[in-house]
Amino acid sequence: DTGVSQNPRHKITKRGQNVTFRCDPISEHNRLYWYRQTLGQGPEFLTYFQNEAQLEKSRLLSDRFSAERPKGSFSTLEIQRTEQGDSAMYLCASSLVQGLGYTFGSGTRLTVV
Amino acid sequence: GQNIDQPTEMTATEGAIVQINCTYQTSGFNGLFWYQQHAGEAPTFLSYNVLDGLEEKGRFSSFLSRSKGYSYLLLKELQMKDSASYLCAVRDSGNTPLVFGKGTRLSVIA
Repeated sequence: DTGVSQNPRHKITKRGQNVTFRCDPISEHNRLYWYRQTLGQGPEFLTYFQNEAQLEKSRLLSDRFSAERPKGSFSTLEIQRTEQGDSAMYLCASSLVQGLGYTFGSGTRLTVV
Repeated sequence: GQNIDQPTEMTATEGAIVQINCTYQTSGFNGLFWYQQHAGEAPTFLSYNVLDGLEEKGRFSSFLSRSKGYSYLLLKELQMKDSASYLCAVRDSGNTPLVFGKGTRLSVIA
């Protein structure tokens, strides 16, 4: 197993464009989480899935954000009409339902110019 | 609501011991986690406490007092490679997503 994989590693986009990130979790992990982290801050929870079901969304996740996990495997996070305030590292993590802690991916660093 | 506090920055000398504190206020409690994050990298799991007391793992130890809403991470025999951010995270109930503090940036100097 290669751990949690996130693509792309870096994304630079112009304000107003749409972007999509992908996360491939550890294969046997049924939970998948998305967090956002800005410089000097801890990760902030965005949303999570158990298998294909999206169980919770943070109020940080405006209607410009959408996440999916079709078939309970990989997940995508889409941001529509990006704003400069969306610039951050987007971290994906996975775990077993009863597991301790998460395994994080290396993140996707988004820069909106 | 949930609130997790930890110092923003700390500096310590190579070979020394450093203690990073974390206080939390959550509606429930089902575990406290410490993660290490080097600049530009993903957080990696260090330790987990759910019962009061000290958990030791090599040079790293973590302590929990649930009645005080308090934890600390103790790093012994500091090495330069320990320079990183240390994140305290709490699970407030059941198996809900972790809530992270803002992290403590530790600088180890010669």
